[in-house]
Amino acid sequence: GNSVTQMEGPVTLSEEAFLTINCTYTATGYPSLFWYVQYPGEGLQLLLKATKADDKGSNKGFEATYRKETTSFHLEKGSVQVSDSAVYFCAHSNAGGTSYGKLTFGQGTILTVHP
Amino acid sequence: GAVVSQHPSRVICKSGTSVKIECRSLDFQATTMFWYRQFPKQSLMLMATSNEGSKATYEQGVEKDKFLINHASLTLSTLTVTSAHPEDSSFYICSASGQRGVSTDTQYFGPGTRLTVL
Repeated sequence: GNSVTQMEGPVTLSEEAFLTINCTYTATGYPSLFWYVQYPGEGLQLLLKATKADDKGSNKGFEATYRKETTSFHLEKGSVQVSDSAVYFCAHSNAGGTSYGKLTFGQGTILTVHP
Repeated sequence: GAVVSQHPSRVICKSGTSVKIECRSLDFQATTMFWYRQFPKQSLMLMATSNEGSKATYEQGVEKDKFLINHASLTLSTLTVTSAHPEDSSFYICSASGQRGVSTDTQYFGPGTRLTVL
């Protein structure tokens, strides 16, 4: 079945540190892959996406590459800021069948960045 | 672009009353809207999927008579929690996907509604 597994948190970093949040998935077909970010008390915001193998999504210094061979979509940022503190969700779209259009989410990773 | 709003952002009600939450796509036509529920420090749980002009499809275990969903237009879906009880207290989030100017495979999320039932 469809699933998304994220690196367990919480992740605590100092400002300007390098960030990696691992994400692997299982899916049928060729799903699109997403990273969403949720700030405290708010809904989810689309951070970046990739729609096919080897695509790299990027936004606000964050990057993730669609790796079909390892079924992964790890999120990276070279230098985090305090304002990046949030919960990060990896997700994939369901490519077909009755679940078409639905998203399968990972459990979320809490990131806290200290000054 | 691709802005989704929810109203209200926060609501407190008494046990036994009904509460309506609105979800609007502000700058695109949402052919499909999704309703999620999120418990503290947990991921999102999909409750139902609604397509404009047709009945919502509920996920297993979600009571359709308790959580009434209406998707009357391409820019508005509503979730009504009927006869709310304290266990219905949660953070409800909607999302929308659509056509014409937005990615059809991407869901755009509203800011969420915090429901507290006393």
